[in-house]
Amino acid sequence: DAMVIQNPRYQVTQFGKPVTLSCSQTLNHNVMYWYQQKSSQAPKLLFHYYDKDFNNEADTPDNFQSRRPNTSFCFLDIRSPGLGDAAMYLCATSLGGDQETQYFGPGTRLLVL
Amino acid sequence: DQQVKQNSPSLSVQEGRISILNCDYTNSMFDYFLWYKKYPAEGPTFLISISSIKDKNEDGRFTVFLNKSAKHLSLHIVPSQPGDSAVYFCAASAPSGTYKYIFGTGTRLKVLA
Repeated sequence: DAMVIQNPRYQVTQFGKPVTLSCSQTLNHNVMYWYQQKSSQAPKLLFHYYDKDFNNEADTPDNFQSRRPNTSFCFLDIRSPGLGDAAMYLCATSLGGDQETQYFGPGTRLLVL
Repeated sequence: DQQVKQNSPSLSVQEGRISILNCDYTNSMFDYFLWYKKYPAEGPTFLISISSIKDKNEDGRFTVFLNKSAKHLSLHIVPSQPGDSAVYFCAASAPSGTYKYIFGTGTRLKVLA
């Protein structure tokens, strides 16, 4: 089945220690997204790629970076995690045309100690 | 400024009855709307969508209604089942070319057996 895969499902890191979250997709979609979601809140878009074209949200902290080495993979790097960065991180994809559906991976729960 | 609003944080319904989840939006340029279902510790799962050229879309027990003049959409689940208990997010596809989706804050549905 075509899908969006995120690894790991749970990640524990220490305050200030860099961490990388991974996402891969078998849908061959052009657009890949990273969201941050804290409990009882709407998913917050951090950035997205259309192919290799990177689009950062204005309020995404510099602490968050992303890489998309090819169509299938996208990474979220948190350079110096703070306690406030503990959240669910969701990867999603869409084909990139008009009125297209966005599909999510299962998410990575990040805990910062 | 929240462009997509779900004003009911929670809803409880008896099994077998109808569940109605509501969503309001402010931007008349939105042309495609989606509903997602989210279980704890999982990513959102796409449920059903509707284009702005329609006022109703049905898929099994799920029906979405769109009232463009009121900038309001609703998701009807009939009959409701205990397995429908989850958080439901309404989302709107932002105007053409941005590839972004704007999410509401979600409504937690509890279906009582």
